Amino acid sequence: AQSVTQPDIHITVSEGASLELRCNYSYGATPYLFWYVQSPGQGLQLLLKYFSGDTLVQGIKGFEAEFKRSQSSFNLRKPSVHWSDAAEYFCAVGAGGDYKLSFGAGTTVTVRA
Amino acid sequence: SQTIHQWPATLVQPVGSPLSLECTVEGTSNPNLYWYRQAAGRGLQLLFYSVGIGQISSEVPQNLSASRPQDRQFILSSKKLLLSDSGFYLCAWSVPPVYTGELFFGEGSRLTVL
Repeated sequence: AQSVTQPDIHITVSEGASLELRCNYSYGATPYLFWYVQSPGQGLQLLLKYFSGDTLVQGIKGFEAEFKRSQSSFNLRKPSVHWSDAAEYFCAVGAGGDYKLSFGAGTTVTVRA
Repeated sequence: SQTIHQWPATLVQPVGSPLSLECTVEGTSNPNLYWYRQAAGRGLQLLFYSVGIGQISSEVPQNLSASRPQDRQFILSSKKLLLSDSGFYLCAWSVPPVYTGELFFGEGSRLTVL
């Protein structure tokens, strides 16, 4: 079965600074990879996804992620964060033919002025 | 457009009481439906998923159950709540199969068991 590790529980970043959130997955074949964002007390919203092809994926809100098979990673990046980016971010992995996604424990991002 | 409704938004229940959380999807047919639980600092745990009416798959043995009486209705229930059932419950749907990768989440139901 697939699994996901998000090594960073909490990250604090200054507004305007760059942000990188780490995600490592475990899966025997090529996985489907996703990043979701959750604002406090809300449901989750998909930021971006990777199925195949170009390993650099662009998403909404200025986010991008890079799939690195050799490192089993799918890190999320944003060049310049805004205060509205403060939220919890979840990496998820799915397997082809499976109905389920496995989520990481999440990384909480705090943005300071 | 598709929408998902989940209620109640907040619930405080005593230990041993029953539970019913309801989720309804509009604007699509034959969706895959999911119940996730989110405990503080522990990410999302898939509890149940359903690929059709009356078809329920359980991921984690516990005192919760799920039912899908109609195509776009998904209910999470318990006969007797435990303290450990407290958490944030999220309903989600996807277009089968989930290769598109996007789960559409409801706003969640926060359950506190006292």
